[in-house]
Amino acid sequence: GAVVSQHPSRVICKSGTSVKIECRSLDFQATTMFWYRQFPKQSLMLMATSNEGSKATYEQGVEKDKFLINHASLTLSTLTVTSAHPEDSSFYICSARDSRDYEQYFGPGTRLTVT
Amino acid sequence: GEDVEQSLFLSVREGDSSVINCTYTDSSSTYLYWYKQEPGAGLQLLTYIFSNMDMKQDQRLTVLLNKKDKHLSLRIADTQTGDSAIYFCAESSGGYNKLIFGAGTRLAVHP
Repeated sequence: GAVVSQHPSRVICKSGTSVKIECRSLDFQATTMFWYRQFPKQSLMLMATSNEGSKATYEQGVEKDKFLINHASLTLSTLTVTSAHPEDSSFYICSARDSRDYEQYFGPGTRLTVT
Repeated sequence: GEDVEQSLFLSVREGDSSVINCTYTDSSSTYLYWYKQEPGAGLQLLTYIFSNMDMKQDQRLTVLLNKKDKHLSLRIADTQTGDSAIYFCAESSGGYNKLIFGAGTRLAVHP
């Protein structure tokens, strides 16, 4: 079946530093990937839609200069949290849309803790 | 805008059936999904239903869709302790398969 990986699974960083999270589709190509954020005991909030070879589309209220998204290939999208602050601590989940059947497959998530 | 609502908590006895309910507002929804999330993990797609269907059954899972009332339910037969998780309802209608999620229903299965 379609597998999506995320790296790292957990990361702790200091306030003011930047963190990069990778999302990979392992056995399929994904022209579109999505980045979600999930607060404890809450639902997933779509942050942005990432399209291979073009700029990401950000949801209302999401700072594009703070959450940099790069979708450089059909199997990799990255989310960089720049100048991280404690309020950026969250669970970040990506999903990848299979170009063959348009189904969305989710990664296991990355827990970011900013100290 | 689009909105998806779910009850937040459900407790059932092992072996009983569980029914998780969801309502949505977007009448143009094309697909409706049920995802399962275990602690500290990502989302696992359980099943989905196309909006022109009323029911879909997949082993222990039965999905019922009342399009008129915009109500979706997931029934889990013979609920097991391994079914304990958070279940998210989601709908898709826009381009690029953008998903709108409910808040999730925490299912607790007790002996």
